[in-house]
Formats: sequence, structure tokens, C-alpha cells
Amino acid sequence: SAVISQKPSRDICQRGTSLTIQCQVDSQVTMMFWYRQQPGQSLTLIATANQGSEATYESGFVIDKFPISRPNLTFSTLTVSNMSPEDSSIYLCSVMEFSTSYTFGSGTRLTVV
Amino acid sequence: GENVEQHPSTLSVQEGDSAVIKCTYSDSASNYFPWYKQELGKGPQLIIDIRSNVGEKKDQRIAVTLNKTAKHFSLHITETQPEDSAVYFCAASTSGTYKYIFGTGTRLKVLA
Repeated sequence: SAVISQKPSRDICQRGTSLTIQCQVDSQVTMMFWYRQQPGQSLTLIATANQGSEATYESGFVIDKFPISRPNLTFSTLTVSNMSPEDSSIYLCSVMEFSTSYTFGSGTRLTVV
Repeated sequence: GENVEQHPSTLSVQEGDSAVIKCTYSDSASNYFPWYKQELGKGPQLIIDIRSNVGEKKDQRIAVTLNKTAKHFSLHITETQPEDSAVYFCAASTSGTYKYIFGTGTRLKVLA
């Protein structure tokens, strides 16, 4: 299965600042996905990132807050902009393999103070 | 909207005992049901999955059962070991889509 590397693994950020999370996959994939996992809660899809086109955002998530880049078939970034304490979560990069099952990166644990 | 309910939220068992986690889904179109294990500091990892044309699937100490009529599916872990301690998530989706509805997770603690 694909190996996903995510950086940083964790960060503590001041409110009002932005953090860019990087995701590198060891194989070419058409679609990459960004999930949010709030403390003690389930996984929520933020957006789908396709190479060569704008990301597709799920209800409740907007590009101004979570801009995404997808410059090639193995890399994507998610930026969390103008952060507030409510943005404290684990952010997960993932790919879908064999058209059905997700493989997740190890996540970025973000704390906003 | 569609949702997946997962119970219990926490589960403690003695090493060697069995653990059962149950999920109920609402979307009758769902036909693919994966289970993920998330260890501390790591991302969720697929441990087993089942499709709607199968009632049960087993892989060593873990098994999943599906009752389509009742719209529920369960994860069974036998002979639990301390390394089984983790958060387990169920999910429901429709084959060919990337839309998963995840359960809220079960924190399993296996006591040595």
C-alpha cells in the first residue's frame, strides 16, 4: 500500500497565524484527501485535491480558510489560515487505493493557543 | 443526513477476552464497511473490511459481521492482547465513491 509522509507531525501555533501541512506519497495518485479529526471525535473530510484543478471542498469548509495545493501527483499541501483555538485538531492526509479503501498519513497534531 | 452510530465509546477488557464493537448505518445504499485502528500518535489504519454481498469475514483474531436488514455491522476481536489497545473507527460508504461516513470511534483498552 502507499506510504504517506506528513509534515510537521505536530505544532503549536499562535492564533491569527497560518500553518501549512505537507503531504508526500510514494506513488502517483489521482486524488488526495484532507481530513480533520477534532479531539475525541470522528474523521471529517475537508476537501479532495486533484492535480491540475481546484480542490473540491465539503460543506462547512471554504478555500479561504483551508487553501490546498496539488502541484503534482505525489504531493499536496493544506494551509490552515488565520487560526483560532477551534482549529486545534489532527489533520490527516489520505489517498484512496484500489478505489475503495483509504490509506492515511500519520497526521499533524495542531494546537492553537 | 446519513450517519453511522458506533458503540460503545470506550471498552475495557481483560487480556485474552473478546471485544465487540457495533455500528449502525442509515444509508441503505451503503455497501462497503471498513474498520480502522488508530494507535496513539498515528493515522488510522485499515484492519478489515466487508462488502454487502458477504455476511461475515475473518482475518486471524479479528472478524466483521454484517446484517444488511438491520443495517448494522460489528467488529469482533478474540484473544485480545495489549497491542490491540487503540481507537477503532467503523465507516460506511458506497463502492466507487470516496464518501465515507465514519463512526465516532471506540477506545479499546486491553488490561494485562
